[in-house]
Amino acid sequence: DIQMTQSPSSLSASVGDRVTITCRTSQSISSYLNWYQQKPGKAPEILILGATTLQSGVPSRFSGSGSGTDYTLTISSLQPDDYATYFCQETYTTLFTFGPGTKVEVK
Amino acid sequence: QVQLVQSGAELKKPGASVRVSCKTSGYTFTGYKIYWVRRAPGQGLECMGWINPNSGGASYAQSFQGRITMARDTAKTTVYLDMRDLTSDDTAVYFCARALYAASEYFDYWGQGTQVTVSS
Repeated sequence: DIQMTQSPSSLSASVGDRVTITCRTSQSISSYLNWYQQKPGKAPEILILGATTLQSGVPSRFSGSGSGTDYTLTISSLQPDDYATYFCQETYTTLFTFGPGTKVEVK
Repeated sequence: QVQLVQSGAELKKPGASVRVSCKTSGYTFTGYKIYWVRRAPGQGLECMGWINPNSGGASYAQSFQGRITMARDTAKTTVYLDMRDLTSDDTAVYFCARALYAASEYFDYWGQGTQVTVSS
């Protein structure tokens, strides 16, 4: 099974800050990596698919990069609506394993 | 518009079984796999498996094999998750999600979630 790690597990940031979240996999997943945002009491929402493709309708302040085993989600200028938990997900295997999540909180 | 609407919250005793339903609409039911994902309190998202509504074939994560069954009713465009031998570790919010392939397979539409609580 592929092991997924995310760092940090939580962070505190202010509106306007640049935020970077990292996802690392135990083996190469060839960019089969998605990012989701989840708010309390809600279902997750897709942000980035295939490591770098911005889902239609998602603000351009979100971007994804990476390859092999190391991937990054960047929020260029944090907005009030962005306080949430972020998960990476591999779809290289049939297990579709999620990372443990990164909670973005108000500083 | 695409919608996935799940059944309501459940309270079960340890050892019991539960069925969660996911009613779909707004698209061709047989054209997309449906996954089940859960999130336990203080935990991350866990993918439980998927069902192909066209064939009825399903695949389950190893940690759930022998304890869950996924089924579908094409006339009702509904998929079901059955889980038995519940323990307190199964207390979680359960989501169904539609899978779509673009640059990567991903979940584009989700149900609203069903709270399952296992307590004596």
